[in-house]
Amino acid sequence: EVQLVESGGGLVQPGGSLRLSCAASGFTFSSYSMNWVRQAPGKGLEWVSYISSSSSTIYYADSVKGRFTISRDNAKNSLYLQMNSLRAEDTAVYYCATYPGYFDYWGQGTLVTVSS
Amino acid sequence: QSALTQPASVSGSPGQSITISCTGTSSDVGSYNLVSWYQQHPGKAPKLMIYEVSKRPSGVSNRFSGSKSGNTASLTISGLQAEDEADYYCCSYAGSSSYVVFGGGTKLTVL
Repeated sequence: EVQLVESGGGLVQPGGSLRLSCAASGFTFSSYSMNWVRQAPGKGLEWVSYISSSSSTIYYADSVKGRFTISRDNAKNSLYLQMNSLRAEDTAVYYCATYPGYFDYWGQGTLVTVSS
Repeated sequence: QSALTQPASVSGSPGQSITISCTGTSSDVGSYNLVSWYQQHPGKAPKLMIYEVSKRPSGVSNRFSGSKSGNTASLTISGLQAEDEADYYCCSYAGSSSYVVFGGGTKLTVL
């Protein structure tokens, strides 16, 4: 059974940093590209970042470019999102998801709250 | 990275059919057959309902169907059931410049 489990969310002050993790199991993690998708409270889904299976290709949404860094460790079956210079508008549930042309597997999400 | 356009809400009675539209541009929906639809119940993660415009994942009811014409994709739910009440999001691949774009979401109410 495919499982994606996010962790690392919490309350952080504006300008602060946070590192999210996503632990994958039940599939060959090293063969799949991965993504982060977020959802602000009461709002819609927003794609955040993509990383290819070998980490050779990375994309970011304009809203996070220069502040967030996606990475992965295939040996540990783990995906990461380093978030710096956090803003109130980054408050959201962050999901990790696989994307072979569509988001087929999602984690349960981890809540990030940016507030003073 | 502009969002795809969906109606904010739709409604229907049990047993009826509804259609949710998703309008993009020639850079996303119109260029790729990589349109997908997601169902999200409150407090839950999104669930894939349709992929590659019209394909259904294993386990998804055949009451759900998808189509595309030009820059507009559509999700049709037939034989509405109370459990279909949820938010629905469309999504399209948009090339290496924007990668993926979502619609703003549609709240389906089963009357």
